[in-house]
Amino acid sequence: SQQGEEDPQALSIQEGENATMNCSYKTSINNLQWYRQNSGRGLVHLILIRSNEREKHSGRLRVTLDTSKKSSSLLITASRAADTASYFCATSGVNTDKLIFGTGTRLQVFP
Amino acid sequence: EPEVTQTPSHQVTQMGQEVILRCVPISNHLYFYWYRQILGQKVEFLVSFYNNEISEKSEIFDDQFSVERPDGSNFTLKIRSTKLEDSAMYFCASRIGQTFRYTFGSGTRLTVV
Repeated sequence: SQQGEEDPQALSIQEGENATMNCSYKTSINNLQWYRQNSGRGLVHLILIRSNEREKHSGRLRVTLDTSKKSSSLLITASRAADTASYFCATSGVNTDKLIFGTGTRLQVFP
Repeated sequence: EPEVTQTPSHQVTQMGQEVILRCVPISNHLYFYWYRQILGQKVEFLVSFYNNEISEKSEIFDDQFSVERPDGSNFTLKIRSTKLEDSAMYFCASRIGQTFRYTFGSGTRLTVV
């Protein structure tokens, strides 16, 4: 089964610094998505990268995908205190549209 | 931006009672889902629903669970006889179909006592 595992589990940085989170998965995917969750709140879709794409940008977000290593990274540049949240990767398989979520990275950005 | 709306935001129920969690997906979306997140754990898939029937369900989604789209706008998750381990945040999600971008609701926190 697909399983997203993320590292680090927790990350603390200062405002203005970049934050990098990594995600690994086990089986073939159709796409990989990143979500953000503020404490006790819902999941907000950030960015989707398809299995045939290697890199994607959206504002201060940059996502890479390496299907040979079954891994992805999310880079948040010039972080802000408002970026403080948990970030999850989620994969969607080839023959299914259900999302398999990773364990998440808790990001704390200090002002 | 259109939203997926879930009600109630928090529900407390006695063990063994039935609960219905409600969701209003985005109006032109065709695929509907329920996920749950036990406190401190991963978000887990429960069920997907398309064209008025379940298209996929997880092992968690046993006979105690059911879903329904009764009136073309609401999408409900029913738990017939709640257990303590059903305590979790339940998320509804929908997508339009042409993309794999999901929109999640803000969740219902279910507490079984």
